[in-house]
Formats: sequence, structure tokens, C-alpha cells
Amino acid sequence: DVKVTQSSRYLVKRTGEKVFLECVQDMDHENMFWYRQDPGLGLRLIYFSYDVKMKEKGDIPEGYSVSREKKERFSLILESASTNQTSMYLCASSPRDPSLDQPQHFGDGTRLSIL
Amino acid sequence: AQKITQTQPGMFVQEKEAVTLDCTYDTSDQSYGLFWYKQPSSGEMIFLIYQGSYDEQNATEGRYSLNFQKARKSANLVISASQLGDSAMYFCAMRESYNTDKLIFGTGTRLQVFP
Repeated sequence: DVKVTQSSRYLVKRTGEKVFLECVQDMDHENMFWYRQDPGLGLRLIYFSYDVKMKEKGDIPEGYSVSREKKERFSLILESASTNQTSMYLCASSPRDPSLDQPQHFGDGTRLSIL
Repeated sequence: AQKITQTQPGMFVQEKEAVTLDCTYDTSDQSYGLFWYKQPSSGEMIFLIYQGSYDEQNATEGRYSLNFQKARKSANLVISASQLGDSAMYFCAMRESYNTDKLIFGTGTRLQVFP
């Protein structure tokens, strides 16, 4: 089974702090994703990485950056945390998929509160 | 651009009854795939079922099945014999386009199963 592990289930940080959310997958997947989930808005893509050191902005990249130095690890960075970044953050991975039928596999999520 | 619409913010169903969760989509691609995910209150996203646009049969996985109507651009999830453990958020998703592994998600439906 694919395992996607997010470093924290719950995290509380202060405004202005630099925050790191870590995600590790064990299935040698090329693709990794960071989403933000807010009530009534579904999942919104923050950043996508399709290979080591390769990244692509999603729908809401402002205020975030990412790092993928190794294939199995994808980090989301909040450069200067703000209260409007309080949310649920979900990491996912998937293989490169020309057949279009491979699902993304998700971690358990991190509930981040910025005070 | 691709779009996923889930018009039911919440649904109630009695245990052992069947329930249908609606999903409509918009795409100009000829080849595409639709995914359904379940998110319990604990937060993890669990892949349930996949339907490809060229699949001749409606997808089935245990108690989950898809009522796929291509002409209507709908891919409704049917859960038979509901159980209390089916209470969760359910999300419909599809690829952003045929040449990317990124998904777009609907806003979700919260299903509550009562005894």
C-alpha cells in the first residue's frame, strides 16, 4: 500500500513565523502535491512537483513556497505565516500517468492554526 | 476549463438504505477520468472508485458504484446498504486536462448516516 506521511497532524504557530510542513511518500512516485482545504471550498492546489527540483504553481501559491530535494520528500513553506493561512493542509502523491487512471494518494492532513 | 460541480452540501440517509451523491462535470477532452474520494472526520482522503470516459461499464467497488451518464456529464456515486461508518465528506474529482496529473475537486457532499 502507498504510504504518504505528513509530519504533524496538528500545528499551532504565531503570525510572522516561518512554517515548514513536511511530506514523505514511500512509493517512488514522480508527482507530489500540496493542497489547502477550507469549508465550502473543497481542495485547492497550492503547488505541484512532477520531479525532483521541479515545481509548478497551483491555484493559490501566494504566501507559500515548496522544496523537493529528494524524490520522496516534498516540503511546503509558509514564508511569514498569517492568520488567513489557518487551514487544513493535505499532501498527496501519484505516479506519472499517461493512462489517466491512477488516483492520488493522500496523507492524513495537517490542521494548522496561526495565532 | 474543466469544472466539477457537487450541488448537495449535505445528505442524510438511514442505515441500510442506498444513497446517491451527485457529481456533474464540464470538459472539452474526449479522454478523461473521474475519481471519488471519502474523507472521514479524522481528515485523511481515501480513494474509493474510478471511472474512465471510455469504460463501457459503470465502475463498481464493493458497495460503491458509479452511475456514469456521459451525455449528461454526470458521474454520481451510489452507496448501497449504508453503514454508520459511511458518514463522511465525499469529493468528486477529475484531471485538470488530459496531459496533466493534476486533479480538480468539487466542493464535496457531507453524508450523515443515521440508525
